[in-house]
Amino acid sequence: AQSVTQLGSHVSVSEGALVLLRCNYSSSVPPYLFWYVQYPNQGLQLLLKYTTGATLVKGINGFEAEFKKSETSFHLTKPSAHMSDAAEYFCAVMIANTGNQFYFGTGTSLTVIP
Amino acid sequence: GAGVSQTPSNKVTEKGKYVELRCDPISGHTALYWYRQSLGQGPEFLIYFQGTGAADDSGLPNDRFFAVRPEGSVSTLKIQRTERGDSAVYLCASSSMGLGLSDEQFFGPGTRLTVL
Repeated sequence: AQSVTQLGSHVSVSEGALVLLRCNYSSSVPPYLFWYVQYPNQGLQLLLKYTTGATLVKGINGFEAEFKKSETSFHLTKPSAHMSDAAEYFCAVMIANTGNQFYFGTGTSLTVIP
Repeated sequence: GAGVSQTPSNKVTEKGKYVELRCDPISGHTALYWYRQSLGQGPEFLIYFQGTGAADDSGLPNDRFFAVRPEGSVSTLKIQRTERGDSAVYLCASSSMGLGLSDEQFFGPGTRLTVL
């Protein structure tokens, strides 16, 4: 069975500080991994994804994530937080050949303090 | 429009009533997904269409939920005899292939369903 765990339902950082949002997954086969961002009253927007190849992936708005198979993790980072980064972030796993549906974590709400 | 659209954006109904939620995917996208997002939770998979057929409906919670996609584009999620526990945001997503590849899913803004 597949599952996604996001540690910390709420994270607060100061503007300009490092952002680290944690995601661990459970999967019996190599997964595809995604991070989505959701702004209030808007749809989910893809930040970045890992499928194969380079384990460090870069996304939009300065975010990046590293796939670590040994740790079954896919943590999201950004070197310097901006006020506009305040949103809900979701980590998701997709297992190919199972219909491609996503299994989402419960989300992490990021607050950026000026 | 260029994105996935969903109507209505908000739906308030009474317990026991029937509701229909509509999703217009991105033109040309063959795969369409429905998810349900309850308050404080991540989206939960409901059903996946490849073309006109439901390729996987394992996420539908019970037989009160049903979805169709008769022409392979627009999809309707139908909920019979609504219950208060059905209150959630229903999300629709589409992708260009969905055939075991890592295609990005594009999400609509959702329909917020409230059952009184």
